[in-house]
Amino acid sequence: LAKTTQPISMDSYEGQEVNITCSHNNIATNDYITWYQQFPSQGPRFIIQGYKTKVTNEVASLFIPADRKSSTLSLPRVSLSDTAVYYCLVGGSARQLTFGSGTQLTVLP
Amino acid sequence: NAGVTQTPKFQVLKTGQSMTLQCAQDMNHNSMYWYRQDPGMGLRLIYYSASEGTTDKGEVPNGYNVSRLNKREFSLRLESAAPSQTSVYFCASSGLPVADTQYFGPGTRLTVL
Repeated sequence: LAKTTQPISMDSYEGQEVNITCSHNNIATNDYITWYQQFPSQGPRFIIQGYKTKVTNEVASLFIPADRKSSTLSLPRVSLSDTAVYYCLVGGSARQLTFGSGTQLTVLP
Repeated sequence: NAGVTQTPKFQVLKTGQSMTLQCAQDMNHNSMYWYRQDPGMGLRLIYYSASEGTTDKGEVPNGYNVSRLNKREFSLRLESAAPSQTSVYFCASSGLPVADTQYFGPGTRLTVL
């Protein structure tokens, strides 16, 4: 299993860019990297997914270096509503999916 | 479209009782999943179904059984509930296993006394 390591918590201020890094040293060749967001009392919500290099969508960017042993989720200009837990997942099959403990992001006014 | 729906939203059981958690999706997805989330923890995969007619164990399958009734529905059964199964249970679905977005239901909060 590709175990992931993320910071337990991060604080930021409104309007700042936030970067959350995930380490996955034993990522396998066919593993994708996926990030989810979870608000209290809700199920996780998909943010972004990538395999290598950089992926960008309307809410975030995902940076993956050439060795793929880590990845960085970048949230531009965060707002109070971005306060949530962010999970990094690595896996190539359903059985390998592990959410880990996630990163609690708190956005301050 | 309702997406992924789960019933019930809340349930309290006594040790030894049985119950079935229901999950349905209307997105025509092939794959469905059951997770549990304990307080302050991430989600752990209990069982999954890559396609209709197939099921497989995840990380924490002990004490649970599943049924993929049809393409839409995937149920999770606790035959003899234990306090250690107190948790929030999430069902999810995706078009493909893993390399596709998983859509989650609202969760079932289960307490076993």
